[in-house]
Amino acid sequence: SQQGEEDPQALSIQEGENATMNCSYKTSINNLQWYRQNSGRGLVHLILIRSNEREKHSGRLRVTLDTSKKSSSLLITASRAADTASYFCASRMGGNKLVFGAGTILRVKS
Amino acid sequence: EAGVAQSPRYKIIEKRQSVAFWCNPISGHATLYWYQQILGQGPKLLIQFQNNGVVDDSQLPKDRFSAERLKGVDSTLKIQPAKLEDSAVYLCASSFVAKPSEQFFGPGTRLTVL
Repeated sequence: SQQGEEDPQALSIQEGENATMNCSYKTSINNLQWYRQNSGRGLVHLILIRSNEREKHSGRLRVTLDTSKKSSSLLITASRAADTASYFCASRMGGNKLVFGAGTILRVKS
Repeated sequence: EAGVAQSPRYKIIEKRQSVAFWCNPISGHATLYWYQQILGQGPKLLIQFQNNGVVDDSQLPKDRFSAERLKGVDSTLKIQPAKLEDSAVYLCASSFVAKPSEQFFGPGTRLTVL
């Protein structure tokens, strides 16, 4: 079964608004990552947050991690039409295995 | 820098036929992964290689799926015989051994089994 569950399953916003996606996982992790997948393409790594970190920023992306609640959130600020994609969280447990959530489909309307 | 290459990009077959996918990782990446992504789901790891050895194949349906990486560079994933439920995108990824969390993905092969 998938390690992560993501919420919401789909999100539709206007260009310029912020988008927030949440991810929950089941077991202890070494780190958690977020990936973007454009239609018909492979996944692109966005950001990684380690288990001892609480917040991380990269450009318009902000990721938080709450290990006590086994959850993470991805915030995309000032969204653009080009941000339209599916977003996946992936947790890395012991070893090198990445376990992906089911993803959030983000649509940014211009 | 060249990315992960996969071929074919699309494949349509009938059930019980066989199919093979090819992946060439980023140069220097000793670790190679095959994932299966069913529509509406996240990718699921099928098999992980380090050089030409298998690290993890716990989720590979070994009765019908096989994979090899004979020379420790490119890899093939085979399905024989295919079932309807094998319809999915098959993603290949690679990484440096020391950076397993930084995986680079290819564009995938979309398989449709009729």
